[in-house]
Amino acid sequence: DTGVSQDPRHKITKRGQNVTFRCDPISEHNRLYWYRQTLGQGPEFLTYFQNEAQLEKSRLLSDRFSAERPKGSFSTLEIQRTEQGDSAMYLCASSLPQGTGEQFFGPGTRLTVL
Amino acid sequence: AQSVTQLGSHVSVSEGALVLLRCNYSSSVPPYLFWYVQYPNQGLQLLLKYTTGATLVKGINGFEAEFKKSETSFHLTKPSAHMSDAAEYFCAVSEGSNYQLIWGAGTKLIIKP
Repeated sequence: DTGVSQDPRHKITKRGQNVTFRCDPISEHNRLYWYRQTLGQGPEFLTYFQNEAQLEKSRLLSDRFSAERPKGSFSTLEIQRTEQGDSAMYLCASSLPQGTGEQFFGPGTRLTVL
Repeated sequence: AQSVTQLGSHVSVSEGALVLLRCNYSSSVPPYLFWYVQYPNQGLQLLLKYTTGATLVKGINGFEAEFKKSETSFHLTKPSAHMSDAAEYFCAVSEGSNYQLIWGAGTKLIIKP
């Protein structure tokens, strides 16, 4: 399977704990995006990488959130001191450097903060 | 900033009936437009996209959409609904040099037997 993969698929944690999610994009895609989706809503943009450079961050991304893409391949999204409001589906997508913005999505990581 | 409006959070049709899911966007320049489908507990799958050229675009699973610039719309249709079409459908527009996607709130399609 050469699609976008995310790990873990599900994460349950207690409030105040740190969590880290991983995304492996399609190999030739240099653009990588993180979105957050809550029930009944469309995805909300969090951040965007082109290769290893983080080029844009949403105002939604508080200081507790950090994302990296150290070698321009896989990416990690870390949430520190989780809060119940962080419970959501975290989606990763990748796309080619040229073209029209068509993004390919992974299956998502569902986070539940107790 | 662009916005995307999907009319109807839920649409219910009978199996075999026409499916029409509405999407309007706000943009001062021709956008790139997308429809994605999401099945329960899964990621988003591209149904179809409009970039340039023909305004009627065909996608997977028998879906198609028409870009109407004058109406700033990109409605999704399928002539005959199938039970397997039950899912949530999202309209999105890309903006900016990073092609960030701006999403509608989604429409849940319910198919009645």
